[in-house]
Amino acid sequence: DSGVTQTPKHLITATGQRVTLRCSPRSGDLSVYWYQQSLDQGLQFLIQYYNGEERAKGNILERFSAQQFPDLHSELNLSSLELGDSALYFCASSASGGHPRSNQPQHFGDGTRLSIL
Amino acid sequence: DAKTTQPPSMDCAEGRAANLPCNHSTISGNEYVYWYRQIHSQGPQYIIHGLKNNETNEMASLIITEDRKSSTLILPHATLRDTAVYYCIVRVDGSQGNLIFGKGTKLSVKP
Repeated sequence: DSGVTQTPKHLITATGQRVTLRCSPRSGDLSVYWYQQSLDQGLQFLIQYYNGEERAKGNILERFSAQQFPDLHSELNLSSLELGDSALYFCASSASGGHPRSNQPQHFGDGTRLSIL
Repeated sequence: DAKTTQPPSMDCAEGRAANLPCNHSTISGNEYVYWYRQIHSQGPQYIIHGLKNNETNEMASLIITEDRKSSTLILPHATLRDTAVYYCIVRVDGSQGNLIFGKGTKLSVKP
């Protein structure tokens, strides 16, 4: 058990819809990262938040957004869903996240499997 | 971040040591070597990381060559539950954001 909690585990919805994925980081971790894993793309970094602020951005579509709340949990919002958005979405957390000489590893949750019909 | 090269697949007999190699010939001085594994479709699991010294924890050992251009992850007594995709990642100390996952090595532990 990594200590990172993601809900829901499975989500089935239709094209054009909007969904919200939730992540609770490990106790004490200030950084939250979101990754997408599809069959043809492998694990791709989407976005990182550190203590409530956006810290780094990867290949995140404009239809996707995220935020980190004061209690450090994070949500990933996916809108105008397309068939190609079907994937596993992972959240990871780490104690650090941008400070020099901080090499704390990221710990991953078990993901949300999103299926678009 | 430096790129890594790993064999696409390896087999190991149950109870034997599994030695997973990784080449990172363009690694720079402030880049750490991280190892993760992913069992089926579960979330990637952190295994170990190091800079230049060999490292050992309860899961595995990490051997980094003196020139740091390659490393080996050692699972001392592989079990069937160690069957997974193993990812070697190099990452700048203190870097923000992403871990760059390649295709990894699919390790199959066989009875």
